[in-house]
Amino acid sequence: TQLLEQSPQFLSIQEGENLTVYCNSSSVFSSLQWYRQEPGEGPVLLVTVVTGGEVKKLKRLTFQFGDARKDSSLHITAAQPGDTGLYLCAGALSNSGYALNFGKGTSLLVTP
Amino acid sequence: DTGVSQNPRHKITKRGQNVTFRCDPISEHNRLYWYRQTLGQGPEFLTYFQNEAQLEKSRLLSDRFSAERPKGSFSTLEIQRTEQGDSAMYLCASSTGIADTGELFFGEGSRLTVL
Repeated sequence: TQLLEQSPQFLSIQEGENLTVYCNSSSVFSSLQWYRQEPGEGPVLLVTVVTGGEVKKLKRLTFQFGDARKDSSLHITAAQPGDTGLYLCAGALSNSGYALNFGKGTSLLVTP
Repeated sequence: DTGVSQNPRHKITKRGQNVTFRCDPISEHNRLYWYRQTLGQGPEFLTYFQNEAQLEKSRLLSDRFSAERPKGSFSTLEIQRTEQGDSAMYLCASSTGIADTGELFFGEGSRLTVL
């Protein structure tokens, strides 16, 4: 059973379009991170959200943490080809262990 | 470059052979993690070290897998008697451990292919 469910799994859009990807769980997380991974490379941290209801912006990317700290979303405005990659959400559970649990990711392709 | 360093980047081996991967974390980071990632999946947690102590191991880590971090700096992950199902990208990550927010800095990974 996957602790974090991401949707959609694949997304192919044209440059300039907006998109939202989702990360959902039935578990409560003390914090949640979003990473981007390019082929053949390790994931790179984009943002960490900690407080329920928190919204963080990183240029054209907007991240939101759900009020109950069980879900998160990533919205990209005016997508560019450089946004292409695998977007992974990862959460630290409130009550156990040191493992950061990852979702399967959303593979985004932005074509010119 | 002061990031997380992993080697080798690629390893091709025959089934039944042993392989070892090395990870050099960011120097001031006392937490070190190993993850495994297969195609189309997110990284799966394998094990965690705080300094030289191995504090957590996933059930994914069978008896054929062993990890060490002898001096609290670099770490090695050894896979004995490799199987085709071990083919994957093995990722190492480190963090400061100052704030318990789980922010990890990953290396570029070691890709294992078992023939």
